Amino acid sequence: DQQVKQNSPSLSVQEGRISILNCDYTNSMFDYFLWYKKYPAEGPTFLISISSIKDKNEDGRFTVFLNKSAKHLSLHIVPSQPGDSAVYFCAAETSGTYKYIFGTGTRLKVLA
Amino acid sequence: DTAVSQTPKYLVTQMGNDKSIKCEQNLGHDTMYWYKQDSKKFLKIMFSYNNKELIINETVPNRFSPKSPDKAHLNLHINSLELGDSAVYFCASSQVLDASYEQYFGPGTRLTVT
Repeated sequence: DQQVKQNSPSLSVQEGRISILNCDYTNSMFDYFLWYKKYPAEGPTFLISISSIKDKNEDGRFTVFLNKSAKHLSLHIVPSQPGDSAVYFCAAETSGTYKYIFGTGTRLKVLA
Repeated sequence: DTAVSQTPKYLVTQMGNDKSIKCEQNLGHDTMYWYKQDSKKFLKIMFSYNNKELIINETVPNRFSPKSPDKAHLNLHINSLELGDSAVYFCASSQVLDASYEQYFGPGTRLTVT
């Protein structure tokens, strides 16, 4: 029962273009969403988050969009850089439960 | 100056052995977690401790026993290791502040059971 899904296991994008990573969830009780970036042999590092009271949050080159009715969120990276090549995980939580549910990740490759 | 550290980074052991993985965070966070990332790269929560109290136990076999001697440490002890325990184990910590729930992860411990 995978409550958070990232249906694209991999994505390749040219340097300078936009990268769009998608995430779908099934549990309507989730109200906080996060994106993490993971390099090989390292732990995930926090990238950006969004609360369910918002539909967009922006931090530099990274923007997360939340569509609650579709139970869908996406991470936009623009412009993409080779250093962005990593695995990206989305995660979701119901506030106060301390229980983060992670997607299976999308491997992004930014081509120089 | 590592925020969340785990030891050891690699652990190779035989079936039936007992082993421990240590985790320490120097961020002053009050909540710590253990995650397991299996061969399919699925990152799944195992345990969560808040102020040394167990708050999440995700149907993990009781061969796995977390121990939190203080807020900065959450160790994972595994008894009678099985082949299926082979995975990467990540420790993480967080502090809930104004609805900010971001977690800080350690570098992971790759456990191989032979």
